[in-house]
Amino acid sequence: QQQVKQSPQSLIVQKGGISIINCAYENTAFDYFPWYQQFPGKGPALLIAIRPDVSEKKEGRFTISFNKSAKQFSLHIMDSQPGDSATYFCAAKSGGYQKVTFGTGTKLQVIP
Amino acid sequence: NAGVTQTPKFQVLKTGQSMTLQCAQDMNHNSMYWYRQDPGMGLRLIYYSASEGTTDKGEVPNGYNVSRLNKREFSLRLESAAPSQTSVYFCASSDGDGISGANVLTFGAGSRLTVL
Repeated sequence: QQQVKQSPQSLIVQKGGISIINCAYENTAFDYFPWYQQFPGKGPALLIAIRPDVSEKKEGRFTISFNKSAKQFSLHIMDSQPGDSATYFCAAKSGGYQKVTFGTGTKLQVIP
Repeated sequence: NAGVTQTPKFQVLKTGQSMTLQCAQDMNHNSMYWYRQDPGMGLRLIYYSASEGTTDKGEVPNGYNVSRLNKREFSLRLESAAPSQTSVYFCASSDGDGISGANVLTFGAGSRLTVL
């Protein structure tokens, strides 16, 4: 059972465009929602994260939007660049536990 | 500044063989994890260790065993490898307290395992 559902599986965006990746969850005990970025041949690395008491968090060109009532959160990449081409994973952690559950990933390609 | 170190980086096994993937972290983190990454499946948790001396099953523990040797090291063992265990394996560590709040995972570079 996939606890964190992620879409789309792949995404092609023109340079300068906006990339949007969506995730949905069912477990209301989740209390921390990070996004990880993975380049080919490397391990994932934390990109940005949000707690459920905040509706939006922005770091540079990267923004997380969080909708607690809909149990959805999304990553927006503004002014997308070829260097942003990578696989992006949303994730969630349950309060009181160390276990982190990941979505299935989105492969982003930014074309010049 | 090594972070999380995994060995080996590549391994080819025959069905039924056994092997151990090694992982060590130098960040004094309490928690360590083993994930496997397969196309279209994302990262799936195999086992994790919230602190030294404890281990817990994740989503896909069957066919694997783990040992938290000390605070630094967390190994993953395949007792009788099967082709379905062909995957890229990632070890990670974190210093989250597990009670509430952030839990930032630091990943190793991965170990690519092929079972023939």
